Amino acid sequence: GAGVSQSPRYKVTKRGQDVALRCDPISGHVSLYWYRQALGQGPEFLTYFNYEAQQDKSGLPNDRFSAERPEGSISTLTIQRTEQRDSAMYRCASSLAGTAYNSPLHFGNGTRLTVT
Amino acid sequence: GQQVMQIPQYQHVQEGEDFTTYCNSSTTLSNIQWYKQRPGGHPVFLIQLVKSGEVKKQKRLTFQFGEAKKNSSLHITATQTTDVGTYFCAGSNTGNQFYFGTGTSLTVIP
Repeated sequence: GAGVSQSPRYKVTKRGQDVALRCDPISGHVSLYWYRQALGQGPEFLTYFNYEAQQDKSGLPNDRFSAERPEGSISTLTIQRTEQRDSAMYRCASSLAGTAYNSPLHFGNGTRLTVT
Repeated sequence: GQQVMQIPQYQHVQEGEDFTTYCNSSTTLSNIQWYKQRPGGHPVFLIQLVKSGEVKKQKRLTFQFGEAKKNSSLHITATQTTDVGTYFCAGSNTGNQFYFGTGTSLTVIP
């Protein structure tokens, strides 16, 4: 596609429910990143993939958060047993190269998650 | 983990005035990127700096990477209303994942 696509755009869920957020990166992009952005804050790194391999998941807050990119393209970020503190904008970004050198991040429009 | 701080958090300027935001890392960076996020939008890449002491210009924007590669700045000359938004630096010390700064929100008063 022309850009990074994320769905759903908005998600309202009740505390305790599981949610799955989808990211469709730019075609051919090797790296895919997940960030979380609270209002008025900078994007907070969660995890990233090169192709289907998860390279770093050190930013995932706890074991309720997981991500996968099974075929090296579309990725899903799953949050189990959601809590109110999980409410935020979840942003996906992709980059062409497998390293950050000379490879800018292209962000999607994000999924606004609200946990009630 | 790596921390990247930016100052100021907010800046209001009259149109035509200059603007500068500063980015400081707790660790030495391999490279740094700058992004602009318009209100309601997503971060959009502006530029990347890699070399110690590097200076790059884009029209009215000047980007600088410190000699020690632990700080960076973005300077806008003669601001315009189109410059409104939040400016983020994003540093990497491994060449892989980027850690974003806290951002500087710029308001330009016509």
